[in-house]
Amino acid sequence: NAGVMQNPRHLVRRRGQEARLRCSPMKGHSHVYWYRQLPEEGLKFMVYLQKENIIDESGMPKERFSAEFPKEGPSILRIQQVVRGDSAAYFCASSSTGPRTEAFFGQGTRLTVV
Amino acid sequence: AQKITQTQPGMFVQEKEAVTLDCTYDTSDPSYGLFWYKQPSSGEMIFLIYQGSYDQQNATEGRYSLNFQKARKSANLVISASQLGDSAMYFCAMGSTSGTYKYIFGTGTRLKVLA
Repeated sequence: NAGVMQNPRHLVRRRGQEARLRCSPMKGHSHVYWYRQLPEEGLKFMVYLQKENIIDESGMPKERFSAEFPKEGPSILRIQQVVRGDSAAYFCASSSTGPRTEAFFGQGTRLTVV
Repeated sequence: AQKITQTQPGMFVQEKEAVTLDCTYDTSDPSYGLFWYKQPSSGEMIFLIYQGSYDQQNATEGRYSLNFQKARKSANLVISASQLGDSAMYFCAMGSTSGTYKYIFGTGTRLKVLA
């Protein structure tokens, strides 16, 4: 599904730098989710946003991580002062409202911290 | 607490044969959805099939079917007539339809289709 666009696909950062990951949801979708996948593991929920609102951030680390979904533009996942343990694949998903809420995923951003 | 369990880290299947990937779940939500996603080596997550907790019939999508046994809390994925391109990681996930719709994922099953 080409609808959810994430960029960049690959991102390399040195320890201490900032990482910005972008996600444009599918057209007509107002719900955005960020997930993190560590190597050889399943996806772990981080945060759920609607336009200009964070609905659920129970999976976000308390420090260095933030997310936004502004009225205009893509959703941004921001990681400040990255550490090696932040190396992972970060997936964005979007869904519409309704009882069948399958989320469509972007292709992910693979962050490598060196 | 919600939980998804996939007990098969890896599976092999001969091309053209059927294979069942196991998934059990636990939730106290009265209304939920169960999903299967495929993740090939290229890394993207591909939606395969959905089953709502109140759906009376098992979901089917082409060669994929979901064997939903609500009393046993299981939602196994059946792939019929396996193809080489089915080799991938498969993730079972659950989302509440009465909450924030966030998904809980299992740890995945790596399927290898043999020629």
